Amino acid sequence: GAVVSQHPSRVICKSGTSVKIECRSLDFQATTMFWYRQFPKQSLMLMATSNEGSKATYEQGVEKDKFLINHASLTLSTLTVTSAHPEDSSFYICSGKTSGGGGEQFFGPGTRLTVL
Amino acid sequence: GENVEQHPSTLSVQEGDSAVIKCTYSDSASNYFPWYKQELGKRPQLIIDIRSNVGEKKDQRIAVTLNKTAKHFSLHITETQPEDSAVYFCAASNTGGGNKLTFGTGTQLKVEL
Repeated sequence: GAVVSQHPSRVICKSGTSVKIECRSLDFQATTMFWYRQFPKQSLMLMATSNEGSKATYEQGVEKDKFLINHASLTLSTLTVTSAHPEDSSFYICSGKTSGGGGEQFFGPGTRLTVL
Repeated sequence: GENVEQHPSTLSVQEGDSAVIKCTYSDSASNYFPWYKQELGKRPQLIIDIRSNVGEKKDQRIAVTLNKTAKHFSLHITETQPEDSAVYFCAASNTGGGNKLTFGTGTQLKVEL
């Protein structure tokens, strides 16, 4: 099956710093990548959708200047959390999707971000 | 936008019993309905999905039913085993309208010995 990796798996940072999370599709071309955030004991909430070579589309309530998304190639998307604060501590999960297919998304293993 | 509701939030069954989780959706344009199993700290794992042109789909102990008219779909797990214990999420998307997945709130399933 299609494999998506994420790096790092865990990151701890100080308040005010920026953190970059990488999402890679290892064996397929992900024309569309999605970024989700999951707080403890809650569901996955879509943050943004990014298409390769285009600007990301952010969901309502997600600050685009705080959560910078880049999808420069068909196998790599990055999420940068700028000026992180403790309330940004969460589990961030990406997924990739091919141009065809029937809607299935392939999820990365997630990144646990803790902001002190 | 799409809104997906999921019930129950917790479900405890005895090993060997069946478990049923129900979801409703609001957007009639949604046509793809996956179910995920998520263990603590892990990625969501697709266990079964159904598309709007099908009313039922089965894969061994897992089955999903879809009622488009009523806008609800259900997950059925038969002969439950302790390893089925996890959080299960339903989701819905419109594959012709951006493919955004809207997730349900999740069901914590516990299979007791």
